[in-house]
Amino acid sequence: DAGVIQSPRHEVTEMGQEVTLRCKPISGHNSLFWYRQTMMRGLELLIYFNNNVPIDDSGMPEDRFSAKMPNASFSTLKIQPSEPRDSAVYFCASKQAGNTIYFGEGSWLTVV
Amino acid sequence: QKEVEQDPGPLSVPEGAIVSLNCTYSNSAFQYFMWYRQYSRKGPELLMYTYSSGNKEDGRFTAQVDKSSKYISLFIRDSQPSDSATYLCAMARNTNAGKSTFGDGTTLTVKP
Repeated sequence: DAGVIQSPRHEVTEMGQEVTLRCKPISGHNSLFWYRQTMMRGLELLIYFNNNVPIDDSGMPEDRFSAKMPNASFSTLKIQPSEPRDSAVYFCASKQAGNTIYFGEGSWLTVV
Repeated sequence: QKEVEQDPGPLSVPEGAIVSLNCTYSNSAFQYFMWYRQYSRKGPELLMYTYSSGNKEDGRFTAQVDKSSKYISLFIRDSQPSDSATYLCAMARNTNAGKSTFGDGTTLTVKP
């Protein structure tokens, strides 16, 4: 299996621009998670989906952030408008029933 | 105060040394305890998973949980240069490991 696939791997954008991060979970996994990792705050859960339905978005920092999962094999995390403080590594992860979460390699976002 | 505190490091040891990585926590509701390994510019990968107090061994790795002291440890025996990575502890209240609270990580370097 190819694992969790994220794109883009790196993105540099200007403040105010829209950013869309994409994720393809492992086939057959029914839970999908979006995390953000920064030096200051560590690894934080933003939102998670179960069977394509958003279950808990309490970690989404503000209304500028939105996430969708239109089907079992695709999810997006959108930031509009982006700000410099959004600069971070964004990880997507997926799992089946059980305790093992599989992380993607991350999308490295820099907002200038 | 953060719910999960992790020894900040960085930690540098010679090859073959025994390594001890530690976390404390404040929330007594945590029942599930995990250790993740994160190589540079990669996503975290689950290393060890334990439930409640006790020890769990997997090859050169031993995870130890002391719920009475709210303290968990990961021991690495006969450390190898390939163990050089950042180690994250994580804790969850229930079986949804995706909702874990993560420590900030300890960066370990094993020198040949």
